[in-house]
Amino acid sequence: GENVEQHPSTLSVQEGDSAVIKCTYSDSASNYFPWYKQELGKGPQLIIDIRSNVGEKKDQRIAVTLNKTAKHFSLHITETQPEDSAVYFCAASTSGNQFYFGTGTSLTVIP
Amino acid sequence: EAGVAQSPRYKIIEKRQSVAFWCNPISGHATLYWYQQILGQGPKLLIQFQNNGVVDDSQLPKDRFSAERLKGVDSTLKIQPAKLEDSAVYLCASSGWDTQYFGPGTRLTVL
Repeated sequence: GENVEQHPSTLSVQEGDSAVIKCTYSDSASNYFPWYKQELGKGPQLIIDIRSNVGEKKDQRIAVTLNKTAKHFSLHITETQPEDSAVYFCAASTSGNQFYFGTGTSLTVIP
Repeated sequence: EAGVAQSPRYKIIEKRQSVAFWCNPISGHATLYWYQQILGQGPKLLIQFQNNGVVDDSQLPKDRFSAERLKGVDSTLKIQPAKLEDSAVYLCASSGWDTQYFGPGTRLTVL
């Protein structure tokens, strides 16, 4: 089955700096890649996603890039703010709506 | 649009007791998932339903866990008897086409 690896496991940045989280996947059949933000005591919240026919997608301060050849995708957060502090999960999905999650990145934005 | 609803939000039981969780997915979503999330880890799929049929339950400990989705809408997940290692957050999610949305989760503590 699919295997998703996520790095780094923890990340600290100064407020206003950028943060980048990277994921790799193993199954070339994966065609949908969502990113989730999970705050303490809450369920994961979808923040951005990308499909395999697109190389990059941006939504305000958040962007995701996908390299199908290398089988990796990344989350970029610019101008980070303290409220961006949370655990971020990447996931990969194949047809059949089966999702495989990374192990998470704990992001801390230092004011 | 209402999100995924779960109840209860918190549950504390003693080992060997039984417990049940309830999930109401987003209206019209055919696919429903139950995940187990242990502190510091990503969500682990327990069972996936498509309408009221099971798509994947390969990681469900069937000797103690059971789940059903009557009429292809609401779902219940049961643990009987509970073990200490079942302490975790149980997340329900649903998807329509390919985008998956999570509920707030039920935090289970087994003493």
